[in-house]
Amino acid sequence: SQQGEEDPQALSIQEGENATMNCSYKTSINNLQWYRQNSGRGLVHLILIRSNEREKHSGRLRVTLDTSKKSSSLLITASRAADTASYFCATGDYKLSFGAGTTVTVRA
Amino acid sequence: DTAVSQTPKYLVTQMGNDKSIKCEQNLGHDTMYWYKQDSKKFLKIMFSYNNKELIINETVPNRFSPKSPDKAHLNLHINSLELGDSAVYFCASSQVPTGDTQYFGPGTRLTVL
Repeated sequence: SQQGEEDPQALSIQEGENATMNCSYKTSINNLQWYRQNSGRGLVHLILIRSNEREKHSGRLRVTLDTSKKSSSLLITASRAADTASYFCATGDYKLSFGAGTTVTVRA
Repeated sequence: DTAVSQTPKYLVTQMGNDKSIKCEQNLGHDTMYWYKQDSKKFLKIMFSYNNKELIINETVPNRFSPKSPDKAHLNLHINSLELGDSAVYFCASSQVPTGDTQYFGPGTRLTVL
C-alpha cells in the first residue's frame, strides 16, 4: 500500500503563479522527501525534510512538515513552464514508499 | 556524465520470453534499487542491494531475479514475461540504505505483447 498520498491529483496554473500540493502519510516518519518526474524521465530529488524540521527552502521551493497532522506541503513559487511535471512525496527509512503524485501543468 | 544509467530504454517483447535490464551507477554509492512504475504512476520498490547483498525483497514473483555483480551494477532478469509485467522499471542508488536521497535512472519501458 502507498504510504503517502498527494493532493490534488492534478493542478493547472498560469506561468508566474504559485503551485501548492499536499502529502499525507500514515505512520510516523524520520524524514520525508519530495521528488519531481518530468514526462518520460526518472525521478529527481528536490528536498528532504527531517521530522524535527518544520520548514525548508530550496530556491523557489518551500516544503513544510506537520508531524502532528502527518502531512507535508510543497510550494513552488513563480512557476515556469519547466516546472510542468509530476511531483511525488516519499517516506520510509529502508524502503521509500511513494504517493501517486500530483501532476502539475504550467501554462504559458 | 550520467549518474545512473539503464539499458535498454525501451524493450518490446512477446509473452513467455526472458529479458534483462542493466543498471550502472558511477556515484560510488553502496545501495541500489529496482522500482516498478505502473500506468497510473504508482512507484513500488521491488529490490534493494547494499554492498552487493540483497536487503529488500518485496513481494515480487520469483520470475524476477536481481543480480549485483559489483556495487556499481544491478541487473534485473525477468523470466517468462507476462502481460502484467508491462511497466516502466527504474533503477536508483543512494549513498546509504537508510532514509537517504535516491538518484534515479531514466527508466526502461517494458512492453509485453
